[in-house]
Amino acid sequence: VVLTQSPAALSLSPGARVTLSCRTSQSVDTYVAWYQQRPGQAPRLLMSDASNRAAGIPARFSGSGSGTDFTLTISSLDPEDFAVYYCQQRRRWPPTFGGGTKVEIK
Amino acid sequence: QVQLQESGPRLVKPSQTLSLTCTVSGASISSGSYYWSWIRQAAGKGLEWIGRIHTSGSTIYNPSLNSRGSISVDTSKNQFSLRLTSVTASDTAMYFCVRGGTDYWFDPWGQGTLVTVSS
Repeated sequence: VVLTQSPAALSLSPGARVTLSCRTSQSVDTYVAWYQQRPGQAPRLLMSDASNRAAGIPARFSGSGSGTDFTLTISSLDPEDFAVYYCQQRRRWPPTFGGGTKVEIK
Repeated sequence: QVQLQESGPRLVKPSQTLSLTCTVSGASISSGSYYWSWIRQAAGKGLEWIGRIHTSGSTIYNPSLNSRGSISVDTSKNQFSLRLTSVTASDTAMYFCVRGGTDYWFDPWGQGTLVTVSS
């Protein structure tokens, strides 16, 4: 399954609301996760099953979608949120990842 | 808090074997129903799941590796390892070791180690 993330990059100011998109080439029900990778750090799990926040993830992060279209929303960007975000599906084996969206400081 | 740390040679010659080890700290590698995976990220590209192992010894690999990969576990050392044979420049990547459940969600991740394939 191919995951296409858009946009590839965007520049925003702290406090802005941002919506990231992930589209899958086949339906994956709600079996999508989102990861955040800050510069120089390992990815960390933000969201699983499309909308379940992982432990310790702030409430400003929310996920939605089903089938082939998924979104990750950050309600108000914090300086620590500037990072690359990846989506991943596990509905169809092998698990695959999207190419990422880079959120940069404007 | 579970932590993972990759180690191994940073430079491997073409056609040789890439070998990496992941040391798990903060918990026993045998505890819980966890699977231990390797994921890689080539420069400018997305993430690719390589394969995983359970401490029972069961393994499964991404077909994209064309049977070149193998993962083993050493519970006495709380480690698991990756071997990738017949490497080429396309195997140059950051390699991460990660913990996952039966559900193929991955958390936490090691910091990653950059392996370059070059003569």
